[in-house]
Amino acid sequence: QQQVKQSPQSLIVQKGGISIINCAYENTAFDYFPWYQQFPGKGPALLIAIRPDVSEKKEGRFTISFNKSAKQFSLHIMDSQPGDSATYFCAAAVGGYSTLTFGKGTMLLVSP
Amino acid sequence: GAVVSQHPSRVICKSGTSVKIECRSLDFQATTMFWYRQFPKKSLMLMATSNEGSKATYEQGVEKDKFLINHASLTLSTLTVTSAHPEDSSFYICSALGVRGRANEKLFFGSGTQLSVL
Repeated sequence: QQQVKQSPQSLIVQKGGISIINCAYENTAFDYFPWYQQFPGKGPALLIAIRPDVSEKKEGRFTISFNKSAKQFSLHIMDSQPGDSATYFCAAAVGGYSTLTFGKGTMLLVSP
Repeated sequence: GAVVSQHPSRVICKSGTSVKIECRSLDFQATTMFWYRQFPKKSLMLMATSNEGSKATYEQGVEKDKFLINHASLTLSTLTVTSAHPEDSSFYICSALGVRGRANEKLFFGSGTQLSVL
């Protein structure tokens, strides 16, 4: 049973555009929702994370939007750059940062 | 920021041999470390949770005798793939959950180890 569904599987965005990746979850006990960025041959790196007590969190060009009633959250990358080209994973956890359930990932390509 | 060092980054071995992968938290202590497996263009699958000083907890379907995990100190966990076979070829990633200080309750990932079994 896939507990965190991520879409799209791949995404191509022009430089300067907005990249939007969506995730939906089923377990209402999840209370921590991070996004990770992974470059080929490297481990994931935490980009930004949110807890369900807020509906939006912004850090630089990255914004998480969270809809608790719909059990959905999304990552928005503003002014997308070629250096943002990577695989992005959403994740969810219960009770903190530890045991994460990952989405299947989105391969983002930002064209110059 | 906190650094997790994973070594080696790449290893090629013959079928039937054992391979040890190290995961070190360089500037923070981690009572809990996690080991994941990732196939090309796929998500991370949690293999086991490693707790310092105790036995690891394995996810369903992961053979504990095949993937030996040792977490002997607050900064080091090792994964040994025993009697490796080609189907064990994969990208293995560790993560460490920090305790105390700036890393407290934060999760940091290693850079991964690409294992190729011939």
